[in-house]
Amino acid sequence: DTAVSQTPKYLVTQMGNDKSIKCEQNLGHDTMYWYKQDSKKFLKIMFSYNNKELIINETVPNRFSPKSPDKAHLNLHINSLELGDSAVYFCASSHIAGGAQYFGPGTRLLVL
Amino acid sequence: SQQGEEDPQALSIQEGENATMNCSYKTSINNLQWYRQNSGRGLVHLILIRSNEREKHSGRLRVTLDTSKKSSSLLITASRAADTASYFCATDASKKFGNEKLTFGTGTRLTIIP
Repeated sequence: DTAVSQTPKYLVTQMGNDKSIKCEQNLGHDTMYWYKQDSKKFLKIMFSYNNKELIINETVPNRFSPKSPDKAHLNLHINSLELGDSAVYFCASSHIAGGAQYFGPGTRLLVL
Repeated sequence: SQQGEEDPQALSIQEGENATMNCSYKTSINNLQWYRQNSGRGLVHLILIRSNEREKHSGRLRVTLDTSKKSSSLLITASRAADTASYFCATDASKKFGNEKLTFGTGTRLTIIP
């Protein structure tokens, strides 16, 4: 009955690799987001999608490519991983943009 | 730069006491939200207050909003050990409909001492 789920929960990989994180929500929400939380707990929005359409792209390197196959899924693909990509990545969804957001459990990415 | 700044950065109180956290922001907003994050978990939405509201309650939570001072406070009454978490304010300051996004503050780390 998980509302917003992410896989994997942990991801340890070498610099230069390509990896994907998947997100699914079963809340029927139209809007989904990706956030990055750094080691100081600062949370910053990366992307938002509304009904499969990209709405916000917050000057994220183009190595990060979100993909929304349908409005219940928003996946994040990262090419050529760098050390600075190490962080916790959160997926979230909301019924309307600007409304209350529901967060997934996070994916802890460590790039070695 | 960040929209929201919480104060204090860290707060430790005895169980049963009240905890107050403050949030200041820089631009006019549509709404302000408070979230809780337990260690190693995702954020949980607590309460949303719109720019035309001044106070809102939810259980043991009380949120105030002063748009003239660009500040908000979160009061947790009769604190419990389970309230130990980080608390974040987030603002929606979007000017364009359909382009809304939340900008999160730096968070207050609250520790309740049993």
